[in-house]
Formats: sequence, C-alpha cells, structure tokens
Amino acid sequence: GQQVMQIPQYQHVQEGEDFTTYCNSSTTLSNIQWYKQRPGGHPVFLIQLVKSGEVKKQKRLTFQFGEAKKNSSLHITATQTTDVGTYFCAGTYSGAGSYQLTFGKGTKLSVIP
Amino acid sequence: NAGVTQTPKFQVLKTGQSMTLQCAQDMNHNSMYWYRQDPGMGLRLIYYSASEGTTDKGEVPNGYNVSRLNKREFSLRLESAAPSQTSVYFCATHLGVSGTGYYEQYFGPGTRLTVT
Repeated sequence: GQQVMQIPQYQHVQEGEDFTTYCNSSTTLSNIQWYKQRPGGHPVFLIQLVKSGEVKKQKRLTFQFGEAKKNSSLHITATQTTDVGTYFCAGTYSGAGSYQLTFGKGTKLSVIP
Repeated sequence: NAGVTQTPKFQVLKTGQSMTLQCAQDMNHNSMYWYRQDPGMGLRLIYYSASEGTTDKGEVPNGYNVSRLNKREFSLRLESAAPSQTSVYFCATHLGVSGTGYYEQYFGPGTRLTVT
C-alpha cells in the first residue's frame, strides 16, 4: 500500500529555536495536509497543499509541497511552548476512495522553556 | 454546534467481550471515518463511509464492523475484543468544497480503549 514517511520521530528544541518536520512519499501525491495533535487531544487540521511547489504561511509556520509532489515540509520559526504536540502529514493519492488520507507517523515536538 | 462527538471516552474490556463505539456529527458532512492511533504508528484508517448507506474497508479492518446508521451517525463494533485492539479510536468527518479540490477532516475527541 501507499506509505508516507515522516521524520524525525521526535524533536526537542529550546524555546526560540526553529523546527522542521519532513514527509516523503515514493509515489506522487494528489495533495497533502498537515495536522497538529496536542498531548491528550485529537488531530486538528492546519493546512492543505495542492499545487506543485506550493508554499503557504500561517504566522510562524511555513508549509511547502515539493515540485514533484512527493515531499512536503513544515517549518516553525522561533518555537514557543504553545507549539508542543505531534505534527502529522497526511497525503491523498489519485484514485484513492472518498478522500482517504494516508498519515505519516508524526513528529513529536517538545519545547524546553 | 458540537462538531464530532464520540462515546464513550474511556472503556476497559476483557478479551472476548464486544462493544460498539458511537460517533455522531452535526456538520451535515457526507463522509465519515474511523481511525485507530497507536504509539509511534500515526493514524490508521479502519473503515470509512463515503455517504449514508455505504461503507468501505480501510487499511486495518480486521476484527471490526461498522454501521452508517444515518447521515449523522457512524458506529464501530468490536465483536470479540482482543488485546491487540487496545488503542485510541478517532472518528472523523470530511468537509469538501465541491469543484475546488479543497477539503479537510474534523476529528472527534477519541475513545481510549483498553482490552485486558
């Protein structure tokens, strides 16, 4: 089946440092989404990327979709303690039924104050 | 609006017992999903329902059954629980904007299930 690989699995940063998580698929994605899950909570949608080479920003968060639509990244500038949680990418493949998402395993971010 | 609700929030079962996890949404979305989340495994799709009256298997359907009772409700049943089904179960709905390719999923708060 299709797989989305996400690295790193864990990241510990000092507050104020930057953070990046990467997702990679061996086959072309139709689009990719990013979700954030706070400890003990449920995944919450952050953004969707559809176009090749697309870059979107949400305040300190920058999302990129690769030119070949096989990889994506999420970059957080100057992390804050409120950024703590697990970040998941989720991709959709052409032909997948009813918008099925294939999730990466997530990157758990810890921010040291 | 409550969004996506799930009951129960916590459940402990003994091996071989059965139970049904309930999910309801008030957002009038057509598609609904059941995922399980295990440590280090991300979210894996168990079953989904594209619309009322239809259901399809996802990545890990074995040991589960689903019912799309109506547009609002999508239940997940474990007929004979096994320790390997200890997990956090999330229900989700799908919001899509027709003709744009844009969509997102809304998740419920989850059910934490332990099978001993």
